Amino acid sequence: GDSVTQKQGQVTLSEDDFLFINCTYSTTTYPTLLWYVQYPGQGPQLLLKVTTANNKGISRGFEATYDKGTTSFHLQKASVQESDSAVYFCALVETSSFSKLVFGQGTSLSVVP
Amino acid sequence: GGIITQTPKFLIGQEGQKLTLKCQQNFNHDTMYWYRQDSGKGLRLIYYSITENDLQKGDLSEGYDASREKKSSFSLTVTSAQKNEMAVFLCASSGTGGVYEQYFGPGTRLTVL
Repeated sequence: GDSVTQKQGQVTLSEDDFLFINCTYSTTTYPTLLWYVQYPGQGPQLLLKVTTANNKGISRGFEATYDKGTTSFHLQKASVQESDSAVYFCALVETSSFSKLVFGQGTSLSVVP
Repeated sequence: GGIITQTPKFLIGQEGQKLTLKCQQNFNHDTMYWYRQDSGKGLRLIYYSITENDLQKGDLSEGYDASREKKSSFSLTVTSAQKNEMAVFLCASSGTGGVYEQYFGPGTRLTVL
């Protein structure tokens, strides 16, 4: 079945540092790839969507891209702020049903002043 | 806008006990989901429902029952609580945005004594 792997469990950065989070995926077709963000005490919320048509998504200063050759997708931000401290999940739409999401394990980002 | 309400916020039960978690949404969304969130394991789908009285099993349905008696509500029952299933249970819904854009509640944290 479809799967997503997110190996960076925890990342600690200083304010204004560059953020780069990576996920790899396995699926039988060209997926729609997603990034969700979960702030402390809240449920996750959709941050970005990337499709094979546009290859890139941009929202709130975050940019998501993907690489078909290496079956990986990335989330980056040029200059993180303390308010970006959260857990970031990559996900894809399961291709057997197109009615479920498959989530990665999550990357917990801490940004220190 | 809308909101997803999950009750209770904290649930403490005894091993072997039957426990019920409730979720209400006022988005008027057709599809609702129950996920389990364990630290370091991401979100895993337990059950979902694409309309009132519909139930579909996710990857983690064993040991759980679900009920969707109204469009706005979706309940999850832990049939026999075990100590290794202490986790946060998240409810979500999706509407015209499709499976990509799911709106999550704040979660119910389950502790089993």
